[in-house]
Amino acid sequence: DQQVKQNSPSLSVQEGRISILNCDYTNSMFDYFLWYKKYPAEGPTFLISISSIKDKNEDGRFTVFLNKSAKHLSLHIVPSQPGDSAVYFCAASARNSGYSTLTFGKGTMLLVSP
Amino acid sequence: NAGVTQTPKFQVLKTGQSMTLQCAQDMNHEYMSWYRQDPGMGLRLIHYSVGAGITDQGEVPNGYNVSRSTTEDFPLRLLSAAPSQTSVYFCASRGLNSNQPQHFGDGTRLSIL
Repeated sequence: DQQVKQNSPSLSVQEGRISILNCDYTNSMFDYFLWYKKYPAEGPTFLISISSIKDKNEDGRFTVFLNKSAKHLSLHIVPSQPGDSAVYFCAASARNSGYSTLTFGKGTMLLVSP
Repeated sequence: NAGVTQTPKFQVLKTGQSMTLQCAQDMNHEYMSWYRQDPGMGLRLIHYSVGAGITDQGEVPNGYNVSRSTTEDFPLRLLSAAPSQTSVYFCASRGLNSNQPQHFGDGTRLSIL
């Protein structure tokens, strides 16, 4: 049973437009969420995180929104750039496990075209 | 600034062979972990450690052993490789503060014939 779901395997966006990547979770104990970006042949790189005490966190072009009642979070990239083309993973963690484990979604491949 | 270093980058094994994947970090991080990534799948946690001498199982621990004798190193051992263990393996580390994100190595691509 997948606890973190990224239902869109891929997303194509034009340069300069907004990219919206979505993530749903089923475990109500998750209270800390992260987005990672991964280029081919490299390890995942941390992008942005959000705690369940917030509903929004912003870092430059990247904003993460959390809707706890819907168990849904999204990553907005504005404006999108060709260098943003990568696989994006949503991950979740829970205080009751001491945040010792991260549960990942399957990822969404973002392609930003010039 | 090396961060998390994994060796080797690529390896081909025959079924039944044993192997150790190496992981070292130079950030003095207490927490280290191993994940595997299979095609179309997210990363799945194999084992993790919150400090020297302490290890615990993740989601998919069967067929793998770990030990943590130093803060810097966290090797992953396959005692008898099976084709189902063909995967890309990632090691990660972070400080014990739970709000610190994990830093990942660049992975070891392992094929078992």
